[in-house]
Amino acid sequence: DVKVTQSSRYLVKRTGEKVFLECVQDMDHENMFWYRQDPGLGLRLIYFSYDVKMKEKGDIPEGYSVSREKKERFSLILESASTNQTSMYLCASAKIENRVEQFFGPGTRLTVL
Amino acid sequence: SQQGEEDPQALSIQEGENATMNCSYKTSINNLQWYRQNSGRGLVHLILIRSNEREKHSGRLRVTLDTSKKSSSLLITASRAADTASYFCATDPYPYGNKLVFGAGTILRVKS
Repeated sequence: DVKVTQSSRYLVKRTGEKVFLECVQDMDHENMFWYRQDPGLGLRLIYFSYDVKMKEKGDIPEGYSVSREKKERFSLILESASTNQTSMYLCASAKIENRVEQFFGPGTRLTVL
Repeated sequence: SQQGEEDPQALSIQEGENATMNCSYKTSINNLQWYRQNSGRGLVHLILIRSNEREKHSGRLRVTLDTSKKSSSLLITASRAADTASYFCATDPYPYGNKLVFGAGTILRVKS
């Protein structure tokens, strides 16, 4: 079974702090994704990566950056956290040949005070 | 705007009844998927239907796709309390094919 893990289930940070969210997958998937989920809005894509050191902006990249130094790890970085970044963050991974069947981690609920 | 939009937003049924959720989308697609999310957890892939397919089954799940109406439905038969979750449709827009677009979801509650 594919396993996607995220570093924290719950996180509380203060405005202006730099926040790192980590995601690790153990199935050698090339594609990895970061989404945020807000009530009534569904999932929105922040960034995705299709290979090590490669990244592409999703629909809402502002205020975020990402890092993919190793194939199994994809990090989401909030350079200066703001209250409007309070949300559930979901990481996903997928094979290169079946990128649309995505496997999700359990999510990190981030609260920015 | 959302590519996939589910309705109803919330559905409450008794155990044993069937649950039907609908998804509408705006652009042409390569395929459409349904995901389930239990409260506060990640999403689990349920089923994928390609644009040239009209119906697909998986256990108690039946998915239909009408590309002329740009809509899909998910039917869960003989529902169980464990089916209580949020259900999302996700489209793979044609021709881009590099990301999924999710709807806002339907919250299903199955009462025992």
